[in-house]
Amino acid sequence: DAMVIQNPRYQVTQFGKPVTLSCSQTLNHNVMYWYQQKSSQAPKLLFHYYDKDFNNEADTPDNFQSRRPNTSFCFLDIRSPGLGDAAMYLCATSRGGGGVTEAFFGQGTRLTVV
Amino acid sequence: AQSVTQLDSQVPVFEEAPVELRCNYSSSVSVYLFWYVQYPNQGLQLLLKYLSGSTLVKGINGFEAEFNKSQTSFHLRKPSVHISDTAEYFCAVAHSGGYNKLIFGAGTRLAVHP
Repeated sequence: DAMVIQNPRYQVTQFGKPVTLSCSQTLNHNVMYWYQQKSSQAPKLLFHYYDKDFNNEADTPDNFQSRRPNTSFCFLDIRSPGLGDAAMYLCATSRGGGGVTEAFFGQGTRLTVV
Repeated sequence: AQSVTQLDSQVPVFEEAPVELRCNYSSSVSVYLFWYVQYPNQGLQLLLKYLSGSTLVKGINGFEAEFNKSQTSFHLRKPSVHISDTAEYFCAVAHSGGYNKLIFGAGTRLAVHP
């Protein structure tokens, strides 16, 4: 089945140690998103790629970066994780162009910072 | 700018009872509306969406929602809930000029009791 896959499902990292979360998709969607969801809160958009074009949300901290080497893969890099970055990180994809359709989400990566 | 308000943070209900989860939105442009469900430590699954056409939208798992433009609401309903419906439900909006940059409400925790 076509889907959005996030690895790992659970990630523990040390305070200040760079960490990378990965997302892959078999849907061939041209738009990929990263959301941060803290405990008992709504998902919050960090940034997205439309094809190769990177679009950062205005309030996303500089500590968060992203790479999209090809259509299928997208990475979230946290350069110096703080305790406040502990959250569920959700990757999503959608087909861009021609209006809004729906977004497909991965299972998420739960990040713990120790 | 758009915003979404989910009026109830928690909704307790007995099994086989009807339920309504309320959602109001604010936007100066045309919007598309979505309901997502999230089970513990899982990603988001689309329940239903309103893009255009009939204001009564039917989704998966017996859920339906009605788009009311004059009241800027998109309430989710189910006539008879099951224990397995216990989850977090998110209402989301995307403006029609974009693709799927979703703005989420704070979520409603539906707790179904036997």
